[in-house]
Amino acid sequence: DAKTTQPTSMDCAEGRAANLPCNHSTISGNEYVYWYRQIHSQGPQYIIHGLKNNETNEMASLIITEDRKSSTLILPHATLRDTAVYYCIAAYNQGGKLIFGQGTELSVKP
Amino acid sequence: DAGVIQSPRHEVTEMGQEVTLRCKPISGHDYLFWYRQTMMRGLELLIYFNNNVPIDDSGMPEDRFSAKMPNASFSTLKIQPSEPRDSAVYFCASSPLPGWGIQETQYFGPGTRLLVL
Repeated sequence: DAKTTQPTSMDCAEGRAANLPCNHSTISGNEYVYWYRQIHSQGPQYIIHGLKNNETNEMASLIITEDRKSSTLILPHATLRDTAVYYCIAAYNQGGKLIFGQGTELSVKP
Repeated sequence: DAGVIQSPRHEVTEMGQEVTLRCKPISGHDYLFWYRQTMMRGLELLIYFNNNVPIDDSGMPEDRFSAKMPNASFSTLKIQPSEPRDSAVYFCASSPLPGWGIQETQYFGPGTRLLVL
């Protein structure tokens, strides 16, 4: 599975958009980009995933560059409850494993 | 649905003792995963089951660790004998039968915080 690189930490003002970047320059053609988050003392929670097209759901949007070497998770209106560690994972959809890195610690501040 | 249930939530034991962690997956989910999380190594997949059968145990650190799934509603992760370096948070997750993938449909439990003294 491809390795991903994320900033260690980020801050965001409440109500503003949070844009979390992820580099995955060695991603293969069949690997998807998955985003999970982990709120303190809880288990990880799935957010969104995509292959090459941009994706949106009720939680977030995922923007994947055309060359697929990087992506951005967008939380359109961050709230204090979005404070968590966000993991970007490149993995095969079938037969692959979710390999969690260190993630980005997002702090949403009032 | 109550979600994935893990017990105990906290466990403190002494080195050399046997530790058993328990997990009840979400009803109807065919996949069950055991993960371990530490500051140093992050979140690691230890083993996962499909329909109660172990599919991939390559993440199990050594023979001291064993996992079983005697039925669709119960799984255990056992450490015997335990060592201080086993101190971590252990998560169980379950996933329904995949349409085309299981990576996005893993539901994690609250975890068991294990401290081995």
